[in-house]
Amino acid sequence: DVKVTQSSRYLVKRTGEKVFLECVQDMDHENMFWYRQDPGLGLRLIYFSYDVKMKEKGDIPEGYSVSREKKERFSLILESASTNQTSMYLCASSLAGRGYYGYTFGSGTRLTVV
Amino acid sequence: DAKTTQPPSMDCAEGRAANLPCNHSTISGNEYVYWYRQIHSQGPQYIIHGLKNNETNEMASLIITEDRKSSTLILPHATLRDTAVYYCIVRGPPTSGTYKYIFGTGTRLKVLA
Repeated sequence: DVKVTQSSRYLVKRTGEKVFLECVQDMDHENMFWYRQDPGLGLRLIYFSYDVKMKEKGDIPEGYSVSREKKERFSLILESASTNQTSMYLCASSLAGRGYYGYTFGSGTRLTVV
Repeated sequence: DAKTTQPPSMDCAEGRAANLPCNHSTISGNEYVYWYRQIHSQGPQYIIHGLKNNETNEMASLIITEDRKSSTLILPHATLRDTAVYYCIVRGPPTSGTYKYIFGTGTRLKVLA
């Protein structure tokens, strides 16, 4: 069964900590995405990657960075966590190309910054 | 970028058809409409997609108006397990060859016993 795996289901971190959220997919997908989800705001794209070592900013990249050293792994980094980054974080992956390729999502990481 | 508008919430009786509307009046001619749903505490799950013609699969049917400015997702016999947030999505323009989904806030469907 193909899937996207996020390393932690729940995380609690302190303000100012450096936080790593890990995502691994086993489908050999070229594209990977990080979204955050907040009540009333839906899903908002933070960053995405279309190839190893390649990345593009999404709609809300401020306060985040990403790393993609291997095709199957896409990491989201909070350089100095703040309370307004408390959220549900969702990773997704998809094949590349102009046709339709659906997203496969992970189950999410609920991050609380205290 | 094309945006979508959905009602924030809907109720549906178990066993009845659930019809979820979506407006996407700024959609361009080659943009697909996608539907995903998110059951509580899980990641979104693909349901169906379409361009111009109506589509049906084992989960749902998608009806797209002739002018493509709106669509309706139909769950023909809703069950309690269909209670979820349903997202109508259009694909944004490609960046570096990659298409991104533009999510709205979705419709919270509650199926009532």
